[in-house]
Amino acid sequence: KQEVTQIPAALSVPEGENLVLNCSFTDSAIYNLQWFRQDPGKGLTSLLLIQSSQREQTSGRLNASLDKSSGRSTLYIAASQPGDSATYLCAVSTTTSGTYKYIFGTGTRLKVLA
Amino acid sequence: DAGVIQSPRHEVTEMGQEVTLRCKPISGHNSLFWYRQTMMRGLELLIYFNNNVPIDDSGMPEDRFSAKMPNASFSTLKIQPSEPRDSAVYFCASSSWLAGGETQYFGPGTRLLVL
Repeated sequence: KQEVTQIPAALSVPEGENLVLNCSFTDSAIYNLQWFRQDPGKGLTSLLLIQSSQREQTSGRLNASLDKSSGRSTLYIAASQPGDSATYLCAVSTTTSGTYKYIFGTGTRLKVLA
Repeated sequence: DAGVIQSPRHEVTEMGQEVTLRCKPISGHNSLFWYRQTMMRGLELLIYFNNNVPIDDSGMPEDRFSAKMPNASFSTLKIQPSEPRDSAVYFCASSSWLAGGETQYFGPGTRLLVL
C-alpha cells in the first residue's frame, strides 16, 4: 500500500530565506507526483506536476525535484515571502483508464515571518 | 468558469441526522472526486466517478456513506446516520481527460461538524 510522508510537519522561517520541503513515498510505481498549496479554509491549488520520467519542474520561485527510484521529492522555495505561508501537500498518482488517482501526504505547514 | 462549487460551506448537525453534501464540477470535466480531510488521517480519497459512473469507492469508510452523480453537473455525498467521527472537511474535485486528466481542481470544501 502506497504511503506518502512529508517532513517537517511544520516550518517557520524568516522572510527571504530559501527552504526545502520533503516528500517520500513507499512505492516507486507512480505515474506522476504533484505539489499542492492549501490556504486556511480553502481548497487545494496545484503548484507543480512532475511526470515519472522527469527529474524536476520549475515555476517562478518554486522548483520541485523527483527521484522515483529512491521514493523522494523535494519542493524548493527561493526567497520566501509572507504570502508563501500555507500548507504544502505532495501527492503521488497511479492511473486507471486515463483517470489519475492521487494519494496525499499529510502536509507541511509553512509560516514565513515578515 | 466559477470553478468547483460546493455547498453548504459549513454544516453543523447532531449525531444520527442525515447529511447531504453537494458538488458542481467545472463544466466539461468528466471525472469527479470526493475527498475527506482530517488532522489525523490527512486527505483521503473516498470515491471517484468517470462520466457519472462510480469507478472506485474503496475509500468510502462505511455503508453509512453513499455518493451519487445523476448528471455531469451535479454530485452528492450523503452520510446517514451521521456520527461525531465523521466531522471533517469534505472536498470535491474535478478533472478533464481532454486536458490530460492530471490536474484536479478542488472546491473550497464543506466543513462538517457532527455533535
